[in-house]
Amino acid sequence: AQKITQTQPGMFVQEKEAVTLDCTYDTSDPSYGLFWYKQPSSGEMIFLIYQGSYDQQNATEGRYSLNFQKARKSANLVISASQLGDSAMYFCAMGGTILTGGGNKLTFGTGTQLKVEL
Amino acid sequence: KAGVTQTPRYLIKTRGQQVTLSCSPISGHRSVSWYQQTPGQGLQFLFEYFSETQRNKGNFPGRFSGRQFSNSRSEMNVSTLELGDSALYLCASSKQDRATGELFFGEGSRLTVL
Repeated sequence: AQKITQTQPGMFVQEKEAVTLDCTYDTSDPSYGLFWYKQPSSGEMIFLIYQGSYDQQNATEGRYSLNFQKARKSANLVISASQLGDSAMYFCAMGGTILTGGGNKLTFGTGTQLKVEL
Repeated sequence: KAGVTQTPRYLIKTRGQQVTLSCSPISGHRSVSWYQQTPGQGLQFLFEYFSETQRNKGNFPGRFSGRQFSNSRSEMNVSTLELGDSALYLCASSKQDRATGELFFGEGSRLTVL
């Protein structure tokens, strides 16, 4: 079974500062994918970034980067230069990869509520 | 490019009734997944359909069912509603067929059971 743990229920960050959202995971699958999603108050889940377990490089997408430490089973999200519009709930999630197949099923963490302040 | 469309956005039902929620995926996406989001249980996977076949199923009772049509549109049905079924139901579509790819979510259908 897959498990995602997000230990920070809420975080505050000043505008233009960087912030790290923590995520640890547990799985017995040899191959897996890690995702981060953002959920604004509107409810829609917005994909931010993906990291495959066999990817050598940490994933980056604009202001988002994923600090992947496989040995520690952690996949922290780093948001650089925070903006007011970054205020939202952030979810870490895990799924399979092309090697495990099985379709599109994600296991989500409990989320971190990020508030960006002026 | 149109996103994932879910209808209705909000609905109120009473215990014992049934409800049907609809999801239209992004054009060209053949995988549709459903998730339930509640304050207590968080986001939980319900099921996934690919090419009209249920490919994955979460740990929900048989009152929760779904189907997918030939145009990839999907519906989920909850029968004999219970208070605990009150939740945001999110639909997600993906063009990936053999792997967990980027899932594109709709804005959800918020169900309240009284």
